[in-house]
Amino acid sequence: EAAVTQSPRSKVAVTGGKVTLSCHQTNNHDYMYWYRQDTGHGLRLIHYSYVADSTEKGDIPDGYKASRPSQENFSLILELASLSQTAVYFCASSDWGGGEQYFGPGTRLTVL
Amino acid sequence: GDSVTQTEGLVTLTKGLPVMLNCTYQTTYSPFLFWYVQHLNEAPKLLLKSSTDNKRTEHQGFYATLHKSSSSFHLQKSSVQLSDSALYFCALIEGGQGTGSKLSFGKGAKLTVSP
Repeated sequence: EAAVTQSPRSKVAVTGGKVTLSCHQTNNHDYMYWYRQDTGHGLRLIHYSYVADSTEKGDIPDGYKASRPSQENFSLILELASLSQTAVYFCASSDWGGGEQYFGPGTRLTVL
Repeated sequence: GDSVTQTEGLVTLTKGLPVMLNCTYQTTYSPFLFWYVQHLNEAPKLLLKSSTDNKRTEHQGFYATLHKSSSSFHLQKSSVQLSDSALYFCALIEGGQGTGSKLSFGKGAKLTVSP
């Protein structure tokens, strides 16, 4: 079965601090995605990548950076965390742009 | 641009009753639709998918038929169970099958089944 792991699983950060969320997949998939989930907004795409060393902006990229150093790893970086970035973040992978997406367990981020 | 509109908010049903969650889409490409399900404190996972017009696809008692004529992909089940309580998302490949690179998700419907 496809495997996507995320770390940390939960995090409390201070406003203005830097936060890095990590994602690792063992599916040999080319595509990786970062979503945030808020009540009433469903899943919103932040950044995605289809090849190592390259990332693309999603629908809500402001305030976030992404890094794809290898096919297996994809990080989401909040350089200056803000209260509005409190949410659950999901990483996902797929073998092609329209393929089934396999989601990680999520990271619950609370910014105080 | 490509988008999905689905039943949103809370849907509450008694066990054993049928359910239909609506999903309509807009795209200029050949549509490829998905339904994802997310149980409480879990990750979303694929429930159904289809790109074939007028063909019913089924999984775990749920079924849906892609109707290109009405741009719809409604999710149905004839008799809901307590374990069906979850969030359900409809999604569409943006840019169509073969050229798309990401999914457009609906906002989700929370199904709650009571005894």
